[in-house]
Amino acid sequence: AQRVTQPEKLLSVFKGAPVELKCNYSYSGSPELFWYVQYSRQRLQLLLRHISRESIKGFTADLNKGETSFHLKKPFAQEEDSAMYYCALSSPTGGGNKLTFGTGTQLKVEL
Amino acid sequence: ETGVTQSPTHLIKTRGQQVTLRCSSQSGHNTVSWYQQALGQGPQFIFQYYREEENGRGNFPPRFSGLQFPNYSSELNVNALELDDSALYLCASSSKVTGTTEAFFGQGTRLTVV
Repeated sequence: AQRVTQPEKLLSVFKGAPVELKCNYSYSGSPELFWYVQYSRQRLQLLLRHISRESIKGFTADLNKGETSFHLKKPFAQEEDSAMYYCALSSPTGGGNKLTFGTGTQLKVEL
Repeated sequence: ETGVTQSPTHLIKTRGQQVTLRCSSQSGHNTVSWYQQALGQGPQFIFQYYREEENGRGNFPPRFSGLQFPNYSSELNVNALELDDSALYLCASSSKVTGTTEAFFGQGTRLTVV
């Protein structure tokens, strides 16, 4: 069975400081991983996916299969980065795919 | 292009009652998934519908059921409500059944069972 672990419920950093949101996964197949973000009073939205290997809003995430990790990083935190971040793993279910989410990390960027 | 919309946004039900939640998928999307998000938890997969048929199911009892209509909108029905069913219910639509695809989420329906 697949599992996603986000060990930190809350991460507080100062503006301009580096950010790393941790995500570890357990999955027997080839993992497909995502980071979703939920800003205050907004819906859950995709931030980035590992296969695209892109940087979105300054965030990057590298899949490390040896450590089964997919940590989200940003070199310099901005106030607008304050939000709830969820790591998610896509896996087959029936004829389609489902997402398995971690419990989320609340990022708070302080001035 | 319209996004995923859910109705109602909030509702309160009594234990033992039945509830129906509704979701309109994003334009052009033919797959709808439902998730339950309890307080302090990440969303948990309930089931997925593709072309009006259930296409995968998570660890939820049969009293959780769904429908998808020809216009790809969907309903989530929960019978014999229990207190633990109190949660935020999220609908997500996507345009591809297999392989990687981006899921677009609605704003959710907050269900409170008393």
